[in-house]
Amino acid sequence: QSVLTQPPSVSAAPGQKVTISCSGSSSNIGNNYVSWYQQLPGTAPKLLIYDNNKRPSGIPDRFSGSKSGTSATLGITGLQTGDEADYYCGTWDSSLSAGGVFGGGTKLTVL
Amino acid sequence: QVTLKESGPVLVKPTETLTLTCTVSGFSLSNARMGVSWIRQPPGKALEWLAHIFSNDEKSYSTSLKSRLTISKDTSKSQVVLTMTNMDPVDTATYYCARIVAAAGTGFFDYWGQGTLVTVSS
Repeated sequence: QSVLTQPPSVSAAPGQKVTISCSGSSSNIGNNYVSWYQQLPGTAPKLLIYDNNKRPSGIPDRFSGSKSGTSATLGITGLQTGDEADYYCGTWDSSLSAGGVFGGGTKLTVL
Repeated sequence: QVTLKESGPVLVKPTETLTLTCTVSGFSLSNARMGVSWIRQPPGKALEWLAHIFSNDEKSYSTSLKSRLTISKDTSKSQVVLTMTNMDPVDTATYYCARIVAAAGTGFFDYWGQGTLVTVSS
């Protein structure tokens, strides 16, 4: 059981927009920045978004992040078949071992 | 460029101790605000954070696994080592090491190793 809650799956057609939610609590998302990771099949996770809404160099602006209270959202516009992957949210948790926590992951299918 | 590479056994027996090594390059383990975490992923399941260590030797462990984990670093060798005792088949997973960039209220994993699959079976 993951500390952060994500929908198991989302889907949309190529060119469309999709959002993925991530819900936590005051001890994690509520008081810390959120990051998002993309995991293509058979590969290691890759940082997509950090500090709620910042993109590392090389990540297209089709990917965006936001946070409100104890929830965060990843948005992807102009969907491409290459975006099919698992997406994870992550943050720090102050109530446990002061370590990292992740969501259960969301499988994005581009129909 | 920054790289991390995990190494260790691919197969361990139940009750044995697992030792994994993460060898980093492109940055120093003495860099302030940076650390290394171990994260695992059972087949078909979600990521699970295990432990981290920072440049000042600050360490933290997953609450549920704390009694079984030890993390350490050798800055001169650019290596971070994780040991996990009393391995069980449920510990079968791909184990990743990842670089952490951290500051007050933030911490994210900006570079990841390719991962190493560890199977626990007799």
